Amino acid sequence: ETGVTQTPRHLVMGMTNKKSLKCEQHLGHNAMYWYKQSAKKPLELMFVYSLEERVENNSVPSRFSPECPNSSHLFLHLHTLQPEDSALYLCASSQDRAHGYTFGSGTRLTVV
Amino acid sequence: KQEVTQIPAALSVPEGENLVLNCSFTDSAIYNLQWFRQDPGKGLTSLLLIQSSQREQTSGRLNASLDKSSGRSTLYIAASQPGDSATYLCAVSFNAGNMLTFGGGTRLMVKP
Repeated sequence: ETGVTQTPRHLVMGMTNKKSLKCEQHLGHNAMYWYKQSAKKPLELMFVYSLEERVENNSVPSRFSPECPNSSHLFLHLHTLQPEDSALYLCASSQDRAHGYTFGSGTRLTVV
Repeated sequence: KQEVTQIPAALSVPEGENLVLNCSFTDSAIYNLQWFRQDPGKGLTSLLLIQSSQREQTSGRLNASLDKSSGRSTLYIAASQPGDSATYLCAVSFNAGNMLTFGGGTRLMVKP
């Protein structure tokens, strides 16, 4: 266990469903991130929250909606996804540049 | 555009060999560089973090070097073992916001 916990581990959803991914960190970090990992592509940064404020939205479609209610929790709300959104969604946290990132185990999402 | 490239994309070696994985980046003005390991279907495990002011970092059989002027980093693995088989990812922080840009990874197979 890295200290960053993601749930669920696996999710299968239809294109008309609404679901949420959850990330929780117990490391006292002040920044949290969502990354998408698709087959044969480098990890892509989706969203960044620093001190609970969104500081980066990397041209992500509006069908992905992040939420950061406090410094320990991060959500990714999903609705009307497409099959090409199927991927491994990874959450990470960091304190500052001196200490690097800590990643969770990811949520494997399949859109059918 | 700031990019990170890893070569080779895949590598297969016999057990016991020393090996070098390469990472190159397009902008020498980096803040830090981090090497990760990813097992199939899993999250990322941090291996080594090198700050821009450092030349190398070591952890056990792993040694990572950084040459900002040439835009290169190498990950050296000594006396490789089958348990080292995984994908190794290089990630660079190009900005003060500590957002990481990832390379495509090197998939390593160490054969017994």
